[in-house]
Amino acid sequence: AQSVTQLGSHVSVSEGALVLLRCNYSSSVPPYLFWYVQYPNQGLQLLLKYTTGATLVKGINGFEAEFKKSETSFHLTKPSAHMSDAAEYFCAVSDNFGNEKLTFGTGTRLTIIP
Amino acid sequence: NAGVTQTPKFQVLKTGQSMTLQCAQDMNHNSMYWYRQDPGMGLRLIYYSASEGTTDKGEVPNGYNVSRLNKREFSLRLESAAPSQTSVYFCASSDRSRDRGGTEAFFGQGTRLTVV
Repeated sequence: AQSVTQLGSHVSVSEGALVLLRCNYSSSVPPYLFWYVQYPNQGLQLLLKYTTGATLVKGINGFEAEFKKSETSFHLTKPSAHMSDAAEYFCAVSDNFGNEKLTFGTGTRLTIIP
Repeated sequence: NAGVTQTPKFQVLKTGQSMTLQCAQDMNHNSMYWYRQDPGMGLRLIYYSASEGTTDKGEVPNGYNVSRLNKREFSLRLESAAPSQTSVYFCASSDRSRDRGGTEAFFGQGTRLTVV
């Protein structure tokens, strides 16, 4: 069984500050890892994903995440927060043996302080 | 290109009423999903369909039924709505064959359902 834990249901950062959203996963098989973003009253859209290869993954809007197998982590970062980054962020995992189903974390709401 | 379209966007039901949530995708994806989103619980899978003609239960299937009408459409039915089914429902689709590993799911805008 797979699971995802997102530490911190709410995170606030000042505009221009570093954004760090934490995600740890549990999987009995090599995982595929994803970060999705949800803006108010909208569906989810993919920010970035890790499958195989390079462990540092770059996504849209200046976000990136690093897969650390030894720490079972896939934290999301952005060097400088922008007001438009205010949203809810979900980490998700699927296995790489033909199971396309995503298991989501509980989400982190990011607030940007002007 | 509309992507994933859900109808309706909002619905209020009385306890015991039935309704069907509709979902259609125009990306020729094989797999389709229904999730529910509740505060503090993230998204939980209700049902999914790996291909036309097949459906399978997810994490929280009780109280729901689904129909994969054709490759494009995947509907979710509540036979007798309960207040515990008040939630935001999302339909999604994906196609592993189009990705070199790590299937990206595309989501609809959601249906906000309130059961009173």
